[in-house]
Amino acid sequence: EPEVTQTPSHQVTQMGQEVILRCVPISNHLYFYWYRQILGQKVEFLVSFYNNEISEKSEIFDDQFSVERPDGSNFTLKIRSTKLEDSAMYFCASSSGTGGFYEQFFGPGTRLTVL
Amino acid sequence: RKEVEQDPGPFNVPEGATVAFNCTYSNSASQSFFWYRQDCRKEPKLLMSVYSSGNEDGRFTAQLNRASQYISLLIRDSKLSDSATYLCVVTPTNDMRFGAGTRLTVKP
Repeated sequence: EPEVTQTPSHQVTQMGQEVILRCVPISNHLYFYWYRQILGQKVEFLVSFYNNEISEKSEIFDDQFSVERPDGSNFTLKIRSTKLEDSAMYFCASSSGTGGFYEQFFGPGTRLTVL
Repeated sequence: RKEVEQDPGPFNVPEGATVAFNCTYSNSASQSFFWYRQDCRKEPKLLMSVYSSGNEDGRFTAQLNRASQYISLLIRDSKLSDSATYLCVVTPTNDMRFGAGTRLTVKP
């Protein structure tokens, strides 16, 4: 069964450093998403991406964040100048369509720890 | 009012019990509704979509009341493997908004 993969599974970084979280969506999917979940809290939408551009973003997704699809398979989330409060699980998801009637498939997540 | 609000839980029930989860949402323009389950430190996985007419999948029944902006999930004959956090998810636009989740523990 096709699945979304994410690397690394755990990333530890120092405050102020830049990190890049990587995702490989399901191959025939066209819509890509990033979510985050701070420990013990709810899953929060960050950004959706389609046709090589951001289609929606939340208030969390400020200038510190950027997304990119550098090639035909990877989808990345870059966090510049990380802060302690960026520590969270980051989930990538993909879907074959949009509008909410298409299931979003989640990757296993990358746990980011900012020290 | 929170975008998506769920019973805080936790729910601790014996095997075989029936348990119901409730969820309310604030955006009346929301179009799609889901229940996801999340195991500890794992990714959310789709349990079932929720349709206006209500829908059933084995032991699981989901209901939607658009007028009250209310969604429910009923689990019958609960199993140990049902222990997880259940997430109510609403799509006001193309992105998903999650509730905080309700934790269920099914005990032998």
